[in-house]
Amino acid sequence: AQSVTQPDIHITVSEGASLELRCNYSYGATPYLFWYVQSPGQGLQLLLKYFSGDTLVQGIKGFEAEFKRSQSSFNLRKPSVHWSDAAEYFCAVGAEGSTLGRLYFGRGTQLTVWP
Amino acid sequence: DAGITQSPRHKVTETGTPVTLRCHQTENHRYMYWYRQDPGHGLRLIHYSYGVKDTDKGEVSDGYSVSRSKTEDFLLTLESATSSQTSVYFCAIRGDVALHYEQYFGPGTRLTVT
Repeated sequence: AQSVTQPDIHITVSEGASLELRCNYSYGATPYLFWYVQSPGQGLQLLLKYFSGDTLVQGIKGFEAEFKRSQSSFNLRKPSVHWSDAAEYFCAVGAEGSTLGRLYFGRGTQLTVWP
Repeated sequence: DAGITQSPRHKVTETGTPVTLRCHQTENHRYMYWYRQDPGHGLRLIHYSYGVKDTDKGEVSDGYSVSRSKTEDFLLTLESATSSQTSVYFCAIRGDVALHYEQYFGPGTRLTVT
């Protein structure tokens, strides 16, 4: 069965510190992977995506993520967090061959940034 | 930003009443999705559509129905609202396969069933 696990429900970091949010997936087919961000009261915004090729992908707002097939992981990173990065982050997976294009989402990681 | 609107944005209704939420897109995308978001559960798929009059169930479809009579509109109906359907509902759209399944989300509808 397809699943996405975000092990950390809540993470707190100081402004300027580095950040890594973890995501593990279980999917039988070749995965397509996404990170979305949701600010309070808002919809979800796509941060970055991985389809193929270079396993380190760059996204908006200075975020990057690395796909590691051997670990079934797609962790999100940022070298220096800004207070405006406080939000909830969702990892999602889709699959090649899934013509209906449905995505499976993790339960989210809430990020708090201390000044 | 993708052209997706949802209406209403907020609604309070009583148990047992029917409720219809609307998702409207201006992108002419084929695929549309309804999710609900609840604390600790992330986003869960309710129903989806892969064309006009073509819909199917997601993982939490009980108590919900959908209709899509035009490409741009995807309606979600709660036939008889229950308190367990208090949630935030998001609509999403996706283009063709060339876009590799990324979905774009509307602003959400906060529904409270009293």
